[in-house]
Amino acid sequence: DAKTTQPTSMDCAEGRAANLPCNHSTISGNEYVYWYRQIHSQGPQYIIHGLKNNETNEMASLIITEDRKSSTLILPHATLRDTAVYYCIVRVGGNAGNMLTFGGGTRLMVKP
Amino acid sequence: SQTIHQWPATLVQPVGSPLSLECTVEGTSNPNLYWYRQAAGRGLQLLFYSVGIGQISSEVPQNLSASRPQDRQFILSSKKLLLSDSGFYLCAWSAGPGTYEQYFGPGTRLTVT
Repeated sequence: DAKTTQPTSMDCAEGRAANLPCNHSTISGNEYVYWYRQIHSQGPQYIIHGLKNNETNEMASLIITEDRKSSTLILPHATLRDTAVYYCIVRVGGNAGNMLTFGGGTRLMVKP
Repeated sequence: SQTIHQWPATLVQPVGSPLSLECTVEGTSNPNLYWYRQAAGRGLQLLFYSVGIGQISSEVPQNLSASRPQDRQFILSSKKLLLSDSGFYLCAWSAGPGTYEQYFGPGTRLTVT
């Protein structure tokens, strides 16, 4: 699986958009980009995934660059409850097991 | 809707004692099941996964073992706990090959003293 690089931490003002970057320069053509988050003392929560097109759901938007070497997770109106560690994961879909490897992630602090 | 349960929520065990953590999933059949561990301040580490009853794959050799006696039941065990086994243990499920989302349980916080 391709390696991902994320900033260790970020701050965001409540109500503003939170833009979380992820570099995955060695991503291969059949690897998807997934985003999860983990609120303190809880299990991780799936947010969104994409292959090459931008994706949007009720939680967030995922913007993937044309060369697919980086992506950005956007929380359009961050709230205090969005404070969490956000994990960017690159993975080939469709394999038996669909194992996910979680790295260090970005600790997002949403401030009032 | 699907739900995933883990128990106990917290556990304090002495070194050398046995361990049994249980995970059950409701509302789906033939899920892929996973055990992860998260040490304090660290990322998640995949320990075991299972694609069916009795089928267990281990990612990291250690003194832990896993079993899947029923379709929606996944058990993590140890015969003798080590101090290094302390951590946050998470069970997860996914709907099977071709799906991309894993859904996690609330976790068990294990402290080995």
